[in-house]
Amino acid sequence: GNSVTQMEGPVTLSEEAFLTINCTYTATGYPSLFWYVQYPGEGLQLLLKATKADDKGSNKGFEATYRKETTSFHLEKGSVQVSDSAVYFCALSDRPQKVTFGIGTKLQVIP
Amino acid sequence: SAVISQKPSRDICQRGTSLTIQCQVDSQVTMMFWYRQQPGQSLTLIATANQGSEATYESGFVIDKFPISRPNLTFSTLTVSNMSPEDSSIYLCSGLEGTDTQYFGPGTRLTVL
Repeated sequence: GNSVTQMEGPVTLSEEAFLTINCTYTATGYPSLFWYVQYPGEGLQLLLKATKADDKGSNKGFEATYRKETTSFHLEKGSVQVSDSAVYFCALSDRPQKVTFGIGTKLQVIP
Repeated sequence: SAVISQKPSRDICQRGTSLTIQCQVDSQVTMMFWYRQQPGQSLTLIATANQGSEATYESGFVIDKFPISRPNLTFSTLTVSNMSPEDSSIYLCSGLEGTDTQYFGPGTRLTVL
């Protein structure tokens, strides 16, 4: 079956540091890949997506590139802010009704 | 993108009672889903809410415990029945836009005493 593996958190960074959250996946088909963000006390928000190999999703300074050869979709941001503190979920979907989520990585950014 | 609202946003309930959560989307999504997120955990799919017919439940979830309705394309309810403290979770509604992208509501934070 499908699976998503994320790096364990929490990740603690100083403001303006570079962020990488690793995500690798296992899927039988050609899934779409997503990053969702959950701010404290809120639901999940779609951060970015990529639907095919070599696509780059980007939003709010975050980027992730669909790497089929390494089955990865790592999330990066060049300079994090305190407001980026949240839990980040990597996910994949190869059928409309089936989304597989990673365990989530908590990011804490300190001033 | 679809905008999804849920109510209530949170509730504290007594053991043995039931709570119905409402989900409204602002556009016609193709599919609607209900998830549970236990404290500090990822999301688990409870069921797919089917318009005008019985929901499709995932393994480990049953209709008697989590009855779901979807009377039209933009509205669905989830009832958590005969609650116990183990049901304390965040319950999230989502809608599918297109063929692969789910948008989520803000969640309902349920505490069962």
